[in-house]
Amino acid sequence: GAVVSQHPSRVICKSGTSVKIECRSLDFQATTMFWYRQFPKQSLMLMATSNEGSKATYEQGVEKDKFLINHASLTLSTLTVTSAHPEDSSFYICSASARSGTDTQYFGPGTRLTVL
Amino acid sequence: AQSVTQPDIHITVSEGASLELRCNYSYGATPYLFWYVQSPGQGLQLLLKYFSGDTLVQGIKGFEAEFKRSQSSFNLRKPSVHWSDAAEYFCAVGGTGTASKLTFGTGTRLQVTL
Repeated sequence: GAVVSQHPSRVICKSGTSVKIECRSLDFQATTMFWYRQFPKQSLMLMATSNEGSKATYEQGVEKDKFLINHASLTLSTLTVTSAHPEDSSFYICSASARSGTDTQYFGPGTRLTVL
Repeated sequence: AQSVTQPDIHITVSEGASLELRCNYSYGATPYLFWYVQSPGQGLQLLLKYFSGDTLVQGIKGFEAEFKRSQSSFNLRKPSVHWSDAAEYFCAVGGTGTASKLTFGTGTRLQVTL
C-alpha cells in the first residue's frame, strides 16, 4: 500500500518551454502533497506544500509563477515548470500524506528534468 | 526551527559487518522522526518511523533505530549489512498533522565492500 507514482520519469526540453510533472497516489487519498527538488548528491529541498482544492504554499525563495502547482483531486497533483531554463534542471520528487493522518509522507520515484 | 544533522557524509562497511548511521535533530516539541533510503536515480523509501511509545523502532530490511531524547538522536542500525544496502540514507524530522513539513538531513552515502 501507499504507492505514489510520478510521470514522466525523465524529460528533456528546450529552454523557454513549459513542462508538466504529474504525481499520483495510487492506492490512497492524499490530503496533502509535497514537491521537493534535489540537486546531485544533495538533500531534498521542499519547494511547496499543496492541499487538495486550495492554493499551494511555497517555501521562501521558490517562485510561485515559475513553479505552478495544482492539486485538483485527492489523488493527483501537478507541477508545471514554466519557461524552463537550464538552471531548472534537477530531480523533482513528490510525496503524499494520506487522509488518515498518519503523518507519514510516501514518496514518488522522482522526475529527472533536463533543460537544454 | 527544526533541523537535522547527519554528521557522516560517506560510510564504507564490509558486507556482514554491523552498521550505525548517526542522526541528530533539533525540534521544539515532540518530534516525529523518519529514516528513508534512496537508491541512485530513485525516490525515497520509508525504512522506519518514530511517533511515540517504544523508543526502539523496527523497520523494513532488518533496520532499527533508537530514539534518545536526552541526546536528540535517532541513529539507524543494522546488525549485518548486505551489499544491496548500498544507497543514500536520509534522516528527517517533522511535526504533527498530515500537512507537517519534513526537514531532511544532508544524507549519508553507504558503500558496502564485498
